[in-house]
Amino acid sequence: GAVVSQHPSRVICKSGTSVKIECRSLDFQATTMFWYRQFPKQSLMLMATSNEGSKATYEQGVEKDKFLINHASLTLSTLTVTSAHPEDSSFYICSALILSPQGRTQYFGPGTRLLVL
Amino acid sequence: QKEVEQNSGPLSVPEGAIASLNCTYSDRGSQSFFWYRQYSGKSPELIMSIYSNGDKEDGRFTAQLNKASQYVSLLIRDSQPSDSATYLCAVIAGYSSASKIIFGSGTRLSIRP
Repeated sequence: GAVVSQHPSRVICKSGTSVKIECRSLDFQATTMFWYRQFPKQSLMLMATSNEGSKATYEQGVEKDKFLINHASLTLSTLTVTSAHPEDSSFYICSALILSPQGRTQYFGPGTRLLVL
Repeated sequence: QKEVEQNSGPLSVPEGAIASLNCTYSDRGSQSFFWYRQYSGKSPELIMSIYSNGDKEDGRFTAQLNKASQYVSLLIRDSQPSDSATYLCAVIAGYSSASKIIFGSGTRLSIRP
């Protein structure tokens, strides 16, 4: 399947700092990427849809000024958690959308584990 | 009613047996159906996609789709301990290119030796 990478795989930061997470599609171009968050033993929660060259679409309840998304190229989307707090500690996962004659498929990156102290 | 429903489990299956995972969805316009496997602490991994009615086989995995009944299932033959994971059913609802993928809450599968 298609390969999606994320960097870093884990990050520990102090409360109040900002953290940037990168999501790359390695062998295909992705006009649409998604950002999810998952707390322990809970379901995936879609945070936002990232569209290349345009503003991201955020889900209800997700603060767009806190979770900044940039999708400046067809292979890279970034999520910046601004002024991180301990409650932002979570597993952040991106995914990329592939279109084929059969339909659409979504592949996930390996995730980034964020711990805010 | 949830858009994509799965039994949360845990589903316990003896090693070597067939594991059967089920999923129902509410939107009749759904066109694309997926099964993802998620190990604890890892991100979901796509294991099967199915777009038309019937069965689709890939190795030990068979996905079954019945659009009339709004039902999609995953069969795992010769279950191995390494199959123990949470399996997420996902559906792209609707015809619009902007339609989102909707995930079920997942079924925990445990393969006992």
